[in-house]
Amino acid sequence: AQSVTQLGSHVSVSEGALVLLRCNYSSSVPPYLFWYVQYPNQGLQLLLKYTSAATLVKGINGFEAEFKKSETSFHLTKPSAHMSDAAEYFCAVMNQAGTALIFGKGTTLSVSS
Amino acid sequence: EAGVTQFPSHSVIEKGQTVTLRCDPISGHDNLYWYRRVMGKEIKFLLHFVKESKQDESGMPNNRFLAERTGGTYSTLKVQPAELEDSGVYFCASSRAGTKNTEAFFGQGTRLTVV
Repeated sequence: AQSVTQLGSHVSVSEGALVLLRCNYSSSVPPYLFWYVQYPNQGLQLLLKYTSAATLVKGINGFEAEFKKSETSFHLTKPSAHMSDAAEYFCAVMNQAGTALIFGKGTTLSVSS
Repeated sequence: EAGVTQFPSHSVIEKGQTVTLRCDPISGHDNLYWYRRVMGKEIKFLLHFVKESKQDESGMPNNRFLAERTGGTYSTLKVQPAELEDSGVYFCASSRAGTKNTEAFFGQGTRLTVV
């Protein structure tokens, strides 16, 4: 069965600092992996997705994630945080049937000036 | 193009009452999903429609929850009777027909509070 673990429910960084949000997955089949972001009072928005092509995936707003099979990880990074990046971030894996997303518990990112 | 729209944005009801949540997917999207996030927990899948048919309802908690998608357009999720543990944010998402990597677009969610 597929599952996702996000390490750290809260991450705080200074503006301009590196953002690293951790996600580890468990999957019995080659996974399809996603990162979603939820800004205050908005719905979930897709940041990026891995679908077995390039292992380094670039997304919107300067975010990227690297699929590492040996580490079963799909960590999200951004070189320089902006205040506008403050939000909750969700890692997700597609279930085996391809009918639903399985989400992690989410990580709230705070950015201070 | 309008996004996924959910009504109401907030609902506060008493235990034992009935509540109906509505989701209008993006026009032309055959797939419609309901998810729920109970406070402090992860977002969990409830069910999946392909057009008007329920493709997967394995995530529905119990028979107090009833989802419909009349004519393959908008969907409703009814909770009857509501219990305290039903409180949470209910998300709807839609996607085009396609493969597993097809992007799902989410609505803003309905925050349900049962008191």
